[in-house]
Amino acid sequence: SAVISQKPSRDICQRGTSLTIQCQVDSQVTMMFWYRQQPGQSLTLIATANQGSEATYESGFVIDKFPISRPNLTFSTLTVSNMSPEDSSIYLCSVEGAIGAEAFFGQGTRLTVV
Amino acid sequence: GQNIDQPTEMTATEGAIVQINCTYQTSGFNGLFWYQQHAGEAPTFLSYNVLDGLEEKGRFSSFLSRSKGYSYLLLKELQMKDSASYLCAVRARDYSNYQLIWGAGTKLIIKP
Repeated sequence: SAVISQKPSRDICQRGTSLTIQCQVDSQVTMMFWYRQQPGQSLTLIATANQGSEATYESGFVIDKFPISRPNLTFSTLTVSNMSPEDSSIYLCSVEGAIGAEAFFGQGTRLTVV
Repeated sequence: GQNIDQPTEMTATEGAIVQINCTYQTSGFNGLFWYQQHAGEAPTFLSYNVLDGLEEKGRFSSFLSRSKGYSYLLLKELQMKDSASYLCAVRARDYSNYQLIWGAGTKLIIKP
C-alpha cells in the first residue's frame, strides 16, 4: 500500500493566477498520475509523471497549462496555470502498484476559481 | 475506443441488497476494479477481478465475465454509510501502456 499526502486540500483562487498542488508519497514509486474530477463526473487523467523525464499528457491537456514536476521518486507537483472558472474542479494525485494492484489516491485538492 | 458504462444513480433501502452493473469495451484487459467515493473524498479501493467469477469480501462481492465485458458490484445488508459513488475502472491497453480507464460512477442513495 501507499500513503499519499496531498496539499492544499482546497483553495479559492482569482482568475489569471496559478496554483501548485503537491503530493508526497511514503514510498518510492516509478509513476505518479494526476487526475481531474469535475462535479458529478468521473476521473479524467491529466498526465503521467515519471521521475527524470517529461510528463506524458493526455489528449486535451498541455504542459503550458498544467506543468508538472517530478524531482524524485516520492514527490510531484501539478500547477494549474492562468486559471479560469472552468478550471474549478477536484484534482487528485495517484500512484499504482503492479498491473494487478489497486491505485492509491491523495486526499484531493478542491479548487474554486472566481 | 475505450468505454465504460454504469448507471448514473441508484436508490436502495437500508438493510437491502443492491447490484451495480458495469459494462466495458476496451482494447486489452488486465483487470477490473471497483472503488467507493464519498462526497468530497478520494476514491478508496473495494475489489479487483481479473478472472471470471465472483470475489467476495464481507458485505461486498464483485463479479466479472470477460467474454461479456460485464461486471457487477453486489452490496448486502446496506447501511446508511454505504451512500456514496461507486466507480468501475478497467486496466486497458493504451498504446504501449496499461492505463486505468474510469467509468463515470454510480451514485448510490440509501434510504432508511
